[in-house]
Amino acid sequence: DGGITQSPKYLFRKEGQNVTLSCEQNLNHDAMYWYRQDPGQGLRLIYYSQIVNDFQKGDIAEGYSVSREKKESFPLTVTSAQKNPTAFYLCASSMTGWGNQPQHFGDGTRLSIL
Amino acid sequence: EDQVTQSPEALRLQEGESSSLNCSYTVSGLRGLFWYRQDPGKGPEFLFTLYSAGEEKEKERLKATLTKKESFLHITAPKPEDSATYLCAVPFGNEKLTFGTGTRLTIIP
Repeated sequence: DGGITQSPKYLFRKEGQNVTLSCEQNLNHDAMYWYRQDPGQGLRLIYYSQIVNDFQKGDIAEGYSVSREKKESFPLTVTSAQKNPTAFYLCASSMTGWGNQPQHFGDGTRLSIL
Repeated sequence: EDQVTQSPEALRLQEGESSSLNCSYTVSGLRGLFWYRQDPGKGPEFLFTLYSAGEEKEKERLKATLTKKESFLHITAPKPEDSATYLCAVPFGNEKLTFGTGTRLTIIP
């Protein structure tokens, strides 16, 4: 079955530590996205990539970094510079990077601070 | 300012009691509107795309409609398994989606 796989499902970060969230898709989609979801707020875009080896900052990129070395993979690193990292992180993909295409989501990673 | 507003924030219905959820947006030249369902602890599941005013899409007990300023998700004779948060999203600009904060729907048996 085609889909988006995020791992791990739960992740704990110590103060000063960088952590990396994995996102893999086998839908052959060109575009991939990372969102953060907090209670009572809509999904907020962190980074997006329309094509391999290219990515752009979203609305809340500070304290995060990404890479897009392969079409199917778009890992997100939460750095120690992100002072409030506790949230539910969602990865998505779409066939192209044009906004009029639906995005399809993984089942998320919940990040907490130890 | 680009905005997507969903109402109500939360809705409790008896099983079989039909109702509608609203998604209003401020954008000129709408290029699509998406509805999603999200269960607790899961990612959003894509339901519908609507592209032009007057368009309707149906799936089981759900029907989505679109006007020039808003979209409705009609739920007919809902069952407890329809309980979820329903999100709508609109593209602003060429590349990004803006999501509403969702309507949390609870169907009471």
